[in-house]
Amino acid sequence: AQSVTQPDIHITVSEGASLELRCNYSYGATPYLFWYVQSPGQGLQLLLKYFSGDTLVQGIKGFEAEFKRSQSSFNLRKPSVHWSDAAEYFCAVGRKGGGSQGNLIFGKGTKLSVKP
Amino acid sequence: EAQVTQNPRYLITVTGKKLTVTCSQNMNHEYMSWYRQDPGLGLRQIYYSMNVEVTDKGDVPEGYKVSRKEKRNFPLILESPSPNQTSLYFCASSLRGPRENTEAFFGQGTRLTVV
Repeated sequence: AQSVTQPDIHITVSEGASLELRCNYSYGATPYLFWYVQSPGQGLQLLLKYFSGDTLVQGIKGFEAEFKRSQSSFNLRKPSVHWSDAAEYFCAVGRKGGGSQGNLIFGKGTKLSVKP
Repeated sequence: EAQVTQNPRYLITVTGKKLTVTCSQNMNHEYMSWYRQDPGLGLRQIYYSMNVEVTDKGDVPEGYKVSRKEKRNFPLILESPSPNQTSLYFCASSLRGPRENTEAFFGQGTRLTVV
């Protein structure tokens, strides 16, 4: 069965430090992959997505993610974290045979805290 | 402005009292779905709909009903809510089919508390 694993439940980084959030998926074919961010009390905002082509994907707010097929991973990175990046981050994969790439399976999320 | 609108945003209700959470989208999307978000569990799909009059169960459908009589609306119905349905609910919509530019648009969420 398809699944998405985010191994880190909670990460704390200092402002200005680099960030990497891990995501592993189980799919069996080339997946459609997404990262969403949820700020406290807010809905979900799409950061970036991978469908095909270049395995390094650029997103909004200075985020990028790299698709590594050999490792079944789609890790999210940011070179310098800002206090406003404190939020919960969700990795998601398009459900195989789901009829729409908006039909998603989510990971359990990683909560990011930023120290001043 | 393209958007998915959920109502209400917050709701406190009592066990057993039927309620409906509405969801409406203005993007002419065929696909709509409902998710619930619980701490430590991420988002889990409740029901989805591929088009008008076409609905199907997601991963956690027990205790919920949906209908899709119009393309823009996809209400979530709790016939007899129970405390374990206390959660944050999200509606989403997207285009149908494996199109590369497809992405899910989410509503702002409905925080439901069942006491």
